[in-house]
Amino acid sequence: KAGVTQTPRYLIKTRGQQVTLSCSPISGHRSVSWYQQTPGQGLQFLFEYFSETQRNKGNFPGRFSGRQFSNSRSEMNVSTLELGDSALYLCASSLEDRVYGYTFGSGTRLTVV
Amino acid sequence: GEDVEQSLFLSVREGDSSVINCTYTDSSSTYLYWYKQEPGAGLQLLTYIFSNMDMKQDQRLTVLLNKKDKHLSLRIADTQTGDSAIYFCAGTLGRSLENYQLIWGAGTKLIIKP
Repeated sequence: KAGVTQTPRYLIKTRGQQVTLSCSPISGHRSVSWYQQTPGQGLQFLFEYFSETQRNKGNFPGRFSGRQFSNSRSEMNVSTLELGDSALYLCASSLEDRVYGYTFGSGTRLTVV
Repeated sequence: GEDVEQSLFLSVREGDSSVINCTYTDSSSTYLYWYKQEPGAGLQLLTYIFSNMDMKQDQRLTVLLNKKDKHLSLRIADTQTGDSAIYFCAGTLGRSLENYQLIWGAGTKLIIKP
């Protein structure tokens, strides 16, 4: 059974650019959540998608957005990149009710220069 | 506010038991989790416990929940070098399933001494 796949693994972007990250969940998992991990702020929730709808959202500016497709694959987009957006972005998939925990991907390491 | 606290480091000898502690705010109805992160990798779910439980055991892992003190612990028996990682405590801290999201501790780095 394939795990959660995130692409790309590493990305270097320039301040002001935009970036799109991709996540393919475990087969059968319809909930996809995104987290940002930084040394200073730790793990912070970005948003969650279920059945192509955003179900929950964290406290991030509108530059951070996402979407989910009918096959449950998800993308997140960050526009007008800032140096502070440099982080490990983790995607996690789960069953609909989420209480039995997430399966995480290996993450995308974004560096903004 | 919502908070999950962990100590940053724990050093134990190989073969000993490791006990990683976590305290949290709000316990009205909470789902609590332990995740493990190895260098360069994502997070791996180790175990979970719900607020209507006191203890859960799974092979070398034992989770204890003290709801009165809002304290959660993870005990790893017979600690091995492969257990070296950062361990994160996370919880929903009273949020409803409709508003489900995890609040994370800063992580405890487990260091194994030979």
